[in-house]
Amino acid sequence: QKEVEQNSGPLSVPEGAIASLNCTYSDRGSQSFFWYRQYSGKSPELIMFIYSNGDKEDGRFTAQLNKASQYVSLLIRDSQPSDSATYLCAVGEPMNTGFQKLVFGTGTRLLVSP
Amino acid sequence: DVKVTQSSRYLVKRTGEKVFLECVQDMDHENMFWYRQDPGLGLRLIYFSYDVKMKEKGDIPEGYSVSREKKERFSLILESASTNQTSMYLCASRPPQVDGYTFGSGTRLTVV
Repeated sequence: QKEVEQNSGPLSVPEGAIASLNCTYSDRGSQSFFWYRQYSGKSPELIMFIYSNGDKEDGRFTAQLNKASQYVSLLIRDSQPSDSATYLCAVGEPMNTGFQKLVFGTGTRLLVSP
Repeated sequence: DVKVTQSSRYLVKRTGEKVFLECVQDMDHENMFWYRQDPGLGLRLIYFSYDVKMKEKGDIPEGYSVSREKKERFSLILESASTNQTSMYLCASRPPQVDGYTFGSGTRLTVV
């Protein structure tokens, strides 16, 4: 089983600050990377995905991928209290059948204080 | 928007009962998945299906089975529920040519 590691947190940031969430993965052959947000008592929702090295921006969110160092990060600019949630990193792992499964980290809890 | 519906939000079952968890998606997706989520362990894949009547074991299939008789419906079966199967169960589906999953709202199962 390939591993995806995240610091469980909580990561506390003040409103308006940049929150930086990090994830490392063990399978050097992984090609697809995802960030999910999960509010307490709710199911995960996809917020970003990235396949290539570098940065990918979507609104206040930026995903960063460094395959050589095997890490993925998520930056949230202008953090809002509504961003308080657990952020799950997921990595695509190819299977023998030719399909892909997602391997999830245990998540980082983000707290944004007003 | 894709809708993935899990029939029950909360379930309480007794040890030894046979339990059925149902999941329905409305977008004709071929790939469907069952995960369980536990504190400190994250989401772990139980089973997945890549087409009708096709299924593959995930990382923790012991004590579970699945059924996919129609494309839109993927059922998880606990053959004889045990207390260590108390968990949040999440169903997901994946559109073709897209890697990200859409999750259902989850079923919190308690086995007493």
